[in-house]
Amino acid sequence: DAKTTQPPSMDCAEGRAANLPCNHSTISGNEYVYWYRQIHSQGPQYIIHGLKNNETNEMASLIITEDRKSSTLILPHATLRDTAVYYCIVGRGAGGYNKLIFGAGTRLAVHP
Amino acid sequence: NAGVTQTPKFQVLKTGQSMTLQCAQDMNHNSMYWYRQDPGMGLRLIYYSASEGTTDKGEVPNGYNVSRLNKREFSLRLESAAPSQTSVYFCASSLSRDTLSGANVLTFGAGSRLTVL
Repeated sequence: DAKTTQPPSMDCAEGRAANLPCNHSTISGNEYVYWYRQIHSQGPQYIIHGLKNNETNEMASLIITEDRKSSTLILPHATLRDTAVYYCIVGRGAGGYNKLIFGAGTRLAVHP
Repeated sequence: NAGVTQTPKFQVLKTGQSMTLQCAQDMNHNSMYWYRQDPGMGLRLIYYSASEGTTDKGEVPNGYNVSRLNKREFSLRLESAAPSQTSVYFCASSLSRDTLSGANVLTFGAGSRLTVL
């Protein structure tokens, strides 16, 4: 399974967009990009995933570059509640090898 | 709708003692996973079960055993606990049959905090 690289920490002002980058240069053609977040010591929470196309849901948007070697998670209007560790993971889909490996993630601090 | 339920939430053990962490999901998911998270670090996969009746090692399986009791339940056993196993343990499950997108989305439990003295 491909590995990911994320900055260890980022800051964002409340109300502004938070753009969290992720590098996954060794991603293979059948691997998805997944984003999760972990608030305090709670269990990780699924945010969004994508394969090739950009995706948007009620929580966030996911922008995947055309070569699929990197992606950006966008929280359009960050709030204090979005302060968390964000994990970018790549892994195969439902029909293949199901193991998802979490790295250290990006610690996002949203400040007033 | 409980999702993924882990028991116990907290446990303190002495070195050499054994215990089992229990995990149950009510979402009819096929796959289940056990992760551990040490302070300030990401999650590391211990074992997983792609479907009922199968289990496989993850990144850090040494010192642990698992049992996929049925489709709902996946337990993690520490036969002889060591201080290095002090951690927060998370169970997760996934449908693994997402016909809409083919993706494998995990739902996590709230965690079990284990301290080994």
